[in-house]
Amino acid sequence: DAGVIQSPRHEVTEMGQEVTLRCKPISGHDYLFWYRQTMMRGLELLIYFNNNVPIDDSGMPEDRFSAKMPNASFSTLKIQPSEPRDSAVYFCASSLTGVTGPPTGELFFGEGSRLTVL
Amino acid sequence: KNQVEQSPQSLIILEGKNCTLQCNYTVSPFSNLRWYKQDTGRGPVSLTIMTFSENTKSNGRYTATLDADTKQSSLHITASQLSDSASYICVVSGAGRRALTFGSGTRLQVQP
Repeated sequence: DAGVIQSPRHEVTEMGQEVTLRCKPISGHDYLFWYRQTMMRGLELLIYFNNNVPIDDSGMPEDRFSAKMPNASFSTLKIQPSEPRDSAVYFCASSLTGVTGPPTGELFFGEGSRLTVL
Repeated sequence: KNQVEQSPQSLIILEGKNCTLQCNYTVSPFSNLRWYKQDTGRGPVSLTIMTFSENTKSNGRYTATLDADTKQSSLHITASQLSDSASYICVVSGAGRRALTFGSGTRLQVQP
């Protein structure tokens, strides 16, 4: 399997522009997670889906952020309008089962999308 | 508040030497603890996952220990290699909680 695939790997945009990040989870995985990583705050969970349904979006910072999972093989994270403080690396991860267990599911991360908002 | 604290924040060692990274957590009730390795510019990769009943787990030169009574874990790296240079992140899951709690990581640099 190719693993979790994210695109784009790098995105530079200007404040106010719309940004769309994309993720293809590992085939057969029922859970999909979006994380954000910054130097100051480390890795933070934004939202996660189970069987394409959003389960917990309490980590989404504000209404400018939205995420969708139209089918089992694709998810998007959208920021509109983008702001400089959104600059971070955004990771998508997938898991066969839930990560809190039992059973204890292994979490597989993509390579991330590095977003810079000028 | 559920927290995961890692120490040291950064570490420099010579190639071939051993090192131990620490993780203390307050997440309760506890479900499992994971160690991840994150190379610069890459996504985290799982090294070990330990549940309450496991107190040691190895993955090649990496050995993780868990003391659920004192809420402490360590990651021991034996005979370090240059490729071990990375950030190591401790992640704890609480039973009944939906999210993982991440530590801020230890940045390890192995020098020749």
